Amino acid sequence: DAKTTQPTSMDCAEGRAANLPCNHSTISGNEYVYWYRQIHSQGPQYIIHGLKNNETNEMASLIITEDRKSSTLILPHATLRDTAVYYCIVRGGYNTDKLIFGTGTRLQVFP
Amino acid sequence: DVKVTQSSRYLVKRTGEKVFLECVQDMDHENMFWYRQDPGLGLRLIYFSYDVKMKEKGDIPEGYSVSREKKERFSLILESASTNQTSMYLCASSPWTGSNTEAFFGQGTRLTVV
Repeated sequence: DAKTTQPTSMDCAEGRAANLPCNHSTISGNEYVYWYRQIHSQGPQYIIHGLKNNETNEMASLIITEDRKSSTLILPHATLRDTAVYYCIVRGGYNTDKLIFGTGTRLQVFP
Repeated sequence: DVKVTQSSRYLVKRTGEKVFLECVQDMDHENMFWYRQDPGLGLRLIYFSYDVKMKEKGDIPEGYSVSREKKERFSLILESASTNQTSMYLCASSPWTGSNTEAFFGQGTRLTVV
């Protein structure tokens, strides 16, 4: 079972920041938060991941709350090409490397 | 670049046929995954393999089996294809280093069972 909860859909104006929330209230201490996105008709693409500290790369920033029960993916200046389904995943622990997806958030960036 | 290659982009099979979907990765990854994706349901894990000849069931293994005889190849088998197995199938691979690794996906195989 997916361990995360995300809104079904969101809109964002081009050039503005897109903030995508994710709840993972049952996350355990050794599990990471991963974000992937899937552009129509393509395989999912890795964006970013983190354990407890905030992370930033060339694509996005990841903000994880202090209690680690939720996180936010930030696309600082959304473009039309960022229109995609975004998946928040909790992965890892001592027992398995399984990668379980939920239904994700469909982000629509409009002009 | 890491490459995960699925043998077919589109496939049409008849009900009752035995169907093989092949996936090959070229980065010596330990983990390989098979998912199916249907509208409104996201990606659902069918099977996961963490080593040669090792496998675990995912959320929806019924009607499917898998084979991993070599590290680079992970096959999904539909023993007797049915119309409800019409779907997009995605393969992925990742290294085995616990939690701190990303997975790489193939481009998918769109299977239609008629």
